[in-house]
Amino acid sequence: QQQVKQSPQSLIVQKGGISIINCAYENTAFDYFPWYQQFPGKGPALLIAIRPDVSEKKEGRFTISFNKSAKQFSLHIMDSQPGDSATYFCAATAAFSGSARQLTFGSGTQLTVLP
Amino acid sequence: DTAVSQTPKYLVTQMGNDKSIKCEQNLGHDTMYWYKQDSKKFLKIMFSYNNKELIINETVPNRFSPKSPDKAHLNLHINSLELGDSAVYFCASSQGVSHSPLHFGNGTRLTVT
Repeated sequence: QQQVKQSPQSLIVQKGGISIINCAYENTAFDYFPWYQQFPGKGPALLIAIRPDVSEKKEGRFTISFNKSAKQFSLHIMDSQPGDSATYFCAATAAFSGSARQLTFGSGTQLTVLP
Repeated sequence: DTAVSQTPKYLVTQMGNDKSIKCEQNLGHDTMYWYKQDSKKFLKIMFSYNNKELIINETVPNRFSPKSPDKAHLNLHINSLELGDSAVYFCASSQGVSHSPLHFGNGTRLTVT
């Protein structure tokens, strides 16, 4: 059972355009929503994260929008650059067995920014 | 200075063999993980150790056995390798079990022929 659904699977954007990746979750116990960026041959790295008590978080060209009632969140990349070409994963975490937490990833979006 | 390092980077082996992947982190974190990334890039947690104790053990064949000799190391041993085990295996670490970010290694690409 996939608890975090991510779309689109792939995205092609022109340089300077806006890239939008969407995620939806089912588990209402999720209380932290990070996005990870993965370049070829590398491990994922934390890009930006949000808690459900805020509707938006912005860091530079990257913005997370969060809709708690719809159980959806999205990543917006403004002024997309070729260097942003990577695979992006949304994720969600909840407490697991006491104090332990488990991170559940979406299926990933392959972003290509054309020069 | 690599924060989370895995060895080997590539591993090609035949079905039925036993192999190990090693992971070390120098971040001083107390929690370490193994994730499996399949050919479609889907990331799935396999194991998590906190202070050398197993805290997450997902539905993984018992051919996979993690071992954590200390907080800085988490190794993965795989017995009787099967074709379906081919994937990229990522080690990761974090501080505590709260919202601290995961720091991933660069992965070990395992190919079983």
